[in-house]
Order: sequence, then structure tokens, then C-alpha cells
Amino acid sequence: QSVLTQPPSVSGAPGQRVTISCTGSTSNIGTGFDVQWYQQLPGTAPKLLIYGNNNRPSGVPDRFSGSKSGTSASLAITGLQAEDEADYYCQSYDTSLSGSLFGGGTKLTVL
Amino acid sequence: QVQLRESGPGLVKPSETLSLTCAVSAYSISSNYYWGWIRQPPGKGLEWIATIFHSGSTYYNPSLKSRVTISVDTSKNQFSLNLNSVTAADTAVYYCARLGGTLLRGFTGGYFDSWGQGALVTVSS
Repeated sequence: QSVLTQPPSVSGAPGQRVTISCTGSTSNIGTGFDVQWYQQLPGTAPKLLIYGNNNRPSGVPDRFSGSKSGTSASLAITGLQAEDEADYYCQSYDTSLSGSLFGGGTKLTVL
Repeated sequence: QVQLRESGPGLVKPSETLSLTCAVSAYSISSNYYWGWIRQPPGKGLEWIATIFHSGSTYYNPSLKSRVTISVDTSKNQFSLNLNSVTAADTAVYYCARLGGTLLRGFTGGYFDSWGQGALVTVSS
């Protein structure tokens, strides 16, 4: 089944650590395909945050980190800041689509 | 730094064809990257539509394949999207993006590393 499942929302106080999960299946993450994470600030285009499971593009703070295990992946944000309030999407390749599959997105609220 | 910019009508009538173009600047579209379209209905998540390589190889989301055509014009350094027989469900912000990382990781390991600002297309009579 071509679905990447994310929690609809997560929240945390400034300075705290939050994680966002992304659960896939054997047609995507479980096959070994890489997971990417994107940050979408309100009213803007998505921005690549993590690629290849745990790599940060230049300019992305090391407060953001990614991991993958089995059919799931996670994005961790440490030292939460107000500017981190955004929607976050995971993405991977899916064999059923023969293309890119996005998770449903998670809204991060900084309390 | 590569820049992408979508252009096209912001309003399309039901049953007609949605046509968008993505102009790429500061980078040759003929280089070793794939190029794609992603859309986002208002208040909803991202949906991959299609991807193309400059050679013309194309990949389509099966749910849209019967209605979508992606093409590339290397002479103008741009690529385009056509979606026919549109309905209100096709109302969305349409993004064009570059699929990076494929040189080392192959097509299946690609990630969208550069995005256009997005173009809102409303389907309404």
C-alpha cells in the first residue's frame, strides 16, 4: 500500500526536543529506499531539510536530524525554536507508484 | 543557484486543460537532474504528479497518469505540465521542483532539492 503515515500534529515548548514519525511499508521505506524530510513554513514552498535518511543540506541547523529503521523513519528537532513552527513532510520512493511518495504531513506547534 | 518559476493561468474551467510551465534559470535543464511537478490542494498535503529527464524519460503518478503529460523544452530551458479534464478536485498550488541526488543515488534515491514558489490554479466555471 502506497502510504507514508505521519501524526497530524506534534507540539513542544521552546528548548525541548520533539520527534515526528513516518511509517511506511515494504513498497517504500521497508525496501531500503531513502527518506527525505521537508519543512514548509506558512505560505511558502517546501524546503529540503533532510535527505538520504540523515543528511542535512548546507545551511540546515544541526538541531534537525533524521533516522530510519525498518519500515519507519523519524525526524528529531532539538532546542525547539519559535521559527520551527511549520508543516513537516516525509518522502520516499515507492515501487507501486514508480515515483515519489509523500507523507500526509505533520503540523508542529511551538507552545 | 538554480531558480524555478511556475507560470500559467490561475483559473481553469471544469473539463478543460490545465497548462503550466516551469522556467529554470542559473542551471541547464539538460544537466544530470530530473525535474518534477508536485501539487498541494488548499489545506492539504503534497502529492507527486510527474517527473521527467531531459532525454524525455517520463514517470507519472498512476492516479493521474491518464490525464497528465509532462514535457521538456531544452531550447527554452523549461518544462511543462498539462492536466486535462480538470475538476474542482484539481484545485491546488502546483510546484515545480528539481529532483537532486540521482547521480549518486539513482532515480529512486532522488530528493526535491529546489522548488519554485508555487502557482495557485483554481478550477471553477
